[in-house]
Amino acid sequence: KAGVTQTPRYLIKTRGQQVTLSCSPISGHRSVSWYQQTPGQGLQFLFEYFSETQRNKGNFPGRFSGRQFSNSRSEMNVSTLELGDSALYLCASSLGTVYNEQFFGPGTRLTVL
Amino acid sequence: AQTVTQSQPEMSVQEAETVTLSCTYDTSESDYYLFWYKQPPSRQMILVIRQEAYKQQNATENRFSVNFQKAAKSFSLKISDSQLGDAAMYFCALTPSNYKLTFGKGTLLTVNP
Repeated sequence: KAGVTQTPRYLIKTRGQQVTLSCSPISGHRSVSWYQQTPGQGLQFLFEYFSETQRNKGNFPGRFSGRQFSNSRSEMNVSTLELGDSALYLCASSLGTVYNEQFFGPGTRLTVL
Repeated sequence: AQTVTQSQPEMSVQEAETVTLSCTYDTSESDYYLFWYKQPPSRQMILVIRQEAYKQQNATENRFSVNFQKAAKSFSLKISDSQLGDAAMYFCALTPSNYKLTFGKGTLLTVNP
């Protein structure tokens, strides 16, 4: 069974631009969560989608948004990029109950110049 | 809101020895789940072990075991017979029933041959 895939793996943008990251979950998984990982703040929860609905959201500004498609693939968008948005963005998929293991993708490394 | 604290930024252990990584947490929820995740260098995060808060029995997975002290809100990870492949960043994580994983800042484990 294929694992969680994220595209692109690396991205370089400039301040003020917007970016879209993609996550394809493991087949059969209906939940996709997104996390931001930085050296200073560690791993922070962005949001979680289940069956195309956002079930929970972290404490990030409205510039961070996401969506999930009917095939469970998810996208995350960041508008008006800031230098502080440079991070590793991880997505994780699971079957969808709180106890289910989350399987993480390799991440997208975003650098904002 | 919940918090997870890992007080040891770095730990080292000799191969074949035992090491314990500490984690304390705080949550107002009565029902929650605790996890230890491992993130090897430049590799994907994987689940090491999980514990349901309502279970008194400590979870065990081969060489990995936890010491779960609910009253003290402590959740330490013990790695027995340490192997070179155990070298990684280890994250303690907590989720109540809202599908939002909160991570600690991590402990970098070095295994010396």
